[in-house]
Parts: sequence; structure tokens; C-alpha cells
Amino acid sequence: AQSVTQLGSHVSVSEGALVLLRCNYSSSVPPYLFWYVQYPNQGLQLLLKYTTGATLVKGINGFEAEFKKSETSFHLTKPSAHMSDAAEYFCAVSGVGTYKYIFGTGTRLKVLA
Amino acid sequence: SQTIHQWPATLVQPVGSPLSLECTVEGTSNPNLYWYRQAAGRGLQLLFYSVGIGQISSEVPQNLSASRPQDRQFILSSKKLLLSDSGFYLCAWTRQAQGEKLFFGSGTQLSVL
Repeated sequence: AQSVTQLGSHVSVSEGALVLLRCNYSSSVPPYLFWYVQYPNQGLQLLLKYTTGATLVKGINGFEAEFKKSETSFHLTKPSAHMSDAAEYFCAVSGVGTYKYIFGTGTRLKVLA
Repeated sequence: SQTIHQWPATLVQPVGSPLSLECTVEGTSNPNLYWYRQAAGRGLQLLFYSVGIGQISSEVPQNLSASRPQDRQFILSSKKLLLSDSGFYLCAWTRQAQGEKLFFGSGTQLSVL
């Protein structure tokens, strides 16, 4: 079975500050991990994904995430927030031997001027 | 290039009425297809997924059903809508391989009144 927990349904940061969105996963098989972003009334777009190999994954728009197996975490970071980063962010897990993708409850990021 | 079409964008239906949402993918063959529902504060809930024509996996027992009559067509249906069926419905597809990214449609906002 697989599950995802996103800590903090709402996160506010000042423009230019560090963005940190937390994601912990549970998986009975080696996981594939994803971060997606959703702008209002739209579908989701992939930011980055981890499958195998390097544990630090770089994505679009300056975001990156680190896979930490010992902590079962895949937190999303960006060194400097921009107003255009305001959106909802979803962490998702899939895994070896499955075609299911399980999403977390999402974190809404607000960027303050 | 591949595209995913989902319609309608908005739908208002009375309780007890039937439902049919359609999703089609172009530019690829034999995709995995998914239906998700997004409700406020609950993230994306996987409803159904399909790895081939006529193959439907149901994740949440409920008032909905899905069908895949053609390779690139995925239909979400209900015989009688409930108030609790309201939400934002998203169709998505991936290539036939594990760990692939999901490509999402633009969604259908369903309001059951």
C-alpha cells in the first residue's frame, strides 16, 4: 500500500524567501515520487520526479527536491520565492510494480509581497 | 505531440440525474488512463484507472463507474448523482511504463444541486 502525507495545508512566505513544502510517503515497494503544481481551475503540471539514481532532483522554475529514504521524505524547496509561485502543490507516489498514483492533500502556497 | 481533451469544463446537475464525462487522448496509443476527483481539503482522490481497453480498476466503491470503450477514450458515469459527487474531476494519462509522469486534462467542475 502507498500513501502520502503533506504537512501544512497552507504555507505563506515572503517574496524572495525560501520555500519549503513537506512530503512524507509510505510505500511497500521502491517508490517513484513526484511533485505537481496546480494553478486555479486548471489541471496539474509536473514540477519534478524521482525514479532512481541521484537523490537530489531538479525541476522546473527553480524547484528541487531531495529523496531521503531513511526519513521517507521528499520535501520540495526553492531558494527564493516569486509571486508567480503562488499555487497549490501536490506530492504523489507510485511504485515498482504498480500503475497507481496516490496524491497527498496538497499545500497551498501564498507568496507575500 | 500528445494532447488530452476533457469535457465539459463546467456542469451543473440536479440530484438524481445521470452523468457522463468524457476524456480522450490524441497522439499516443495504449495509454494508461485515470480519473481523479478533487474536493476542497481532500487532495486528489484516485477513482478509476485503466491499463487497457475494457480493463478498469476501481479504487473507491461509490456512486460512479468508468468505461474504456476505445483505446484512447475514458468515460466516467453515474446513473443517479448525489450531492457528495460534487467536485473537480480530472482525467489523466501516462505512457505504458512505471514511473512515468501523469499528463492531466483541464478538468470538469461538477456541481450537484
